Amino acid sequence: QQQVKQSPQSLIVQKGGISIINCAYENTAFDYFPWYQQFPGKGPALLIAIRPDVSEKKEGRFTISFNKSAKQFSLHIMDSQPGDSATYFCAASRGDKIIFGKGTRLHILP
Amino acid sequence: DAGVIQSPRHEVTEMGQEVTLRCKPISGHDYLFWYRQTMMRGLELLIYFNNNVPIDDSGMPEDRFSAKMPNASFSTLKIQPSEPRDSAVYFCASSLQRSGEQFFGPGTRLTVL
Repeated sequence: QQQVKQSPQSLIVQKGGISIINCAYENTAFDYFPWYQQFPGKGPALLIAIRPDVSEKKEGRFTISFNKSAKQFSLHIMDSQPGDSATYFCAASRGDKIIFGKGTRLHILP
Repeated sequence: DAGVIQSPRHEVTEMGQEVTLRCKPISGHDYLFWYRQTMMRGLELLIYFNNNVPIDDSGMPEDRFSAKMPNASFSTLKIQPSEPRDSAVYFCASSLQRSGEQFFGPGTRLTVL
């Protein structure tokens, strides 16, 4: 019940395309859903986050879509750029407990 | 602020040796987390502290692993004795509040031969 399942493991997208990464969780007690971005040799950094009282949050080219009934959320990257090439982690948390997905390695073709 | 500081950045050691990883959190952050990252298992939470007190160490894989936080500005993760399967990148992160943004350090890449 503590798992966060993330897919796909890797993703290749043409420059200008839309990148979509999906996550599913099991524990309905989770109340905070962040996405982290990690570049090679660096630690993860918060990209965007959502709480379950809204169905969508947009920040620039990055959008989180949240489906509470299906216990799923996804990250959409519009107009994907080579600089977006990184590993993306979804996570779910409640209080002090945070569970990360296994990550998606995204590569944007120039 | 310099962000979360970790040392060393790289560590190569032989099986059986003691390894100590160090972390300095962001000043004022009450929460400190230790993670391990591998290709197979992704990012795993090992232990976290609140106000220097260990709250949850259920992610610590074995008794060979121990962590301390003697004060608000310093924490260590120790592995004794180290084994090749401990090879991974170890991250320290800190946060200001529960369920909030975590700020990660650059990580320590550990290789146990």
